[in-house]
Amino acid sequence: GQNIDQPTEMTATEGAIVQINCTYQTSGFNGLFWYQQHAGEAPTFLSYNVLDGLEEKGRFSSFLSRSKGYSYLLLKELQMKDSASYLCAVMDSNYQLIWGAGTKLIIKP
Amino acid sequence: DGGITQSPKYLFRKEGQNVTLSCEQNLNHDAMYWYRQDPGQGLRLIYYSQIVNDFQKGDIAEGYSVSREKKESFPLTVTSAQKNPTAFYLCASSMGRENSPLHFGNGTRLTVT
Repeated sequence: GQNIDQPTEMTATEGAIVQINCTYQTSGFNGLFWYQQHAGEAPTFLSYNVLDGLEEKGRFSSFLSRSKGYSYLLLKELQMKDSASYLCAVMDSNYQLIWGAGTKLIIKP
Repeated sequence: DGGITQSPKYLFRKEGQNVTLSCEQNLNHDAMYWYRQDPGQGLRLIYYSQIVNDFQKGDIAEGYSVSREKKESFPLTVTSAQKNPTAFYLCASSMGRENSPLHFGNGTRLTVT
């Protein structure tokens, strides 16, 4: 079967750095997406990785290792507004998105 | 401003009643999707459509129906055959290419009692 694993919940301090991991086992790979979702709201697109390496976008960076079936989302200079769930999704060989259950990130002052 | 609109935000229905959730987009996207989100689970695909007048079942289509008569609109009907309809429903659209991100509506929370 296809599987995406993310930690259920993480806690970090305002101003710090946090890394949210995502491991996947899918039938084929055509890219990995990260989304942010505030409670009761729409998920919003953060990043897309299809090649190995690090993609940096402001305070957020996303890393991919296809050989290890592994990605992480790195959030720097954490702000209270970063409290949200972070969803990892992998596009499989049929171009279908497989979603992780999401990581709820709690930021403390 | 372009976007994707779902209505209503909250919906309450009695068991045995069909209910239709609205989804409209003005992003000129070809592809539209319906997902269901339950606590502790990843998003699950109900139906998707890549072009007007055509749609495909997703992983959990039983008890649901859709139509795609216009590019902008992709309504979802939750029928009385759906065993556990209470959930948060998300509509999304994309340009349809493999690296195109999904744009989501703000969701409809359906409660069936």
